[in-house]
Amino acid sequence: QQQVKQSPQSLIVQKGGISIINCAYENTAFDYFPWYQQFPGKGPALLIAIRPDVSEKKEGRFTISFNKSAKQFSLHIMDSQPGDSATYFCAASGGSARQLTFGSGTQLTVLP
Amino acid sequence: DSGVTQTPKHLITATGQRVTLRCSPRSGDLSVYWYQQSLDQGLQFLIQYYNGEERAKGNILERFSAQQFPDLHSELNLSSLELGDSALYFCASSLAHTDTQYFGPGTRLTVL
Repeated sequence: QQQVKQSPQSLIVQKGGISIINCAYENTAFDYFPWYQQFPGKGPALLIAIRPDVSEKKEGRFTISFNKSAKQFSLHIMDSQPGDSATYFCAASGGSARQLTFGSGTQLTVLP
Repeated sequence: DSGVTQTPKHLITATGQRVTLRCSPRSGDLSVYWYQQSLDQGLQFLIQYYNGEERAKGNILERFSAQQFPDLHSELNLSSLELGDSALYFCASSLAHTDTQYFGPGTRLTVL
């Protein structure tokens, strides 16, 4: 199976709060797990990515946690800001072609 | 700005027609990926080209085809268009055999 399952579908957080988005995958051949941020009318933009040899990666306010045994990974946005309001997609890739399999997306709204 | 350009930005056409979407990858990138984004199917991989050669195929209909030219720009051809083909079409590019994909701004196709 090539699916990547993402939850929740939508998320509302107060300014300054923590936003958490979860993804689960089935294909053990996946070896690269990026998160993309998409604003309305724009293309997806790479936010942060992780490989399964590490359990956590942090870049500024964004952290990926990765659990290889559970085949799950999550995005944590600390100190969420209204400017973070966007749709977030998790994705996974593996094999020689490296095409991305995307989750269904999470619409994040950060209230001021 | 990702450095990936796509034209046109919007395209409105009728059922049964044929259209061509164009993508110019970032300077130096050899791989081009095409993705379709729709409300019901989400972001789905269509096809990948690497240095002019087809590398991988995803959920691409037989009515759709693509090619990558010697200058590395790519075109996605959609023929016998149906209402259900209305979607956002993104191309992404990456360096050879690397994971980071940079997405263009997309072409919004509306089939009436």
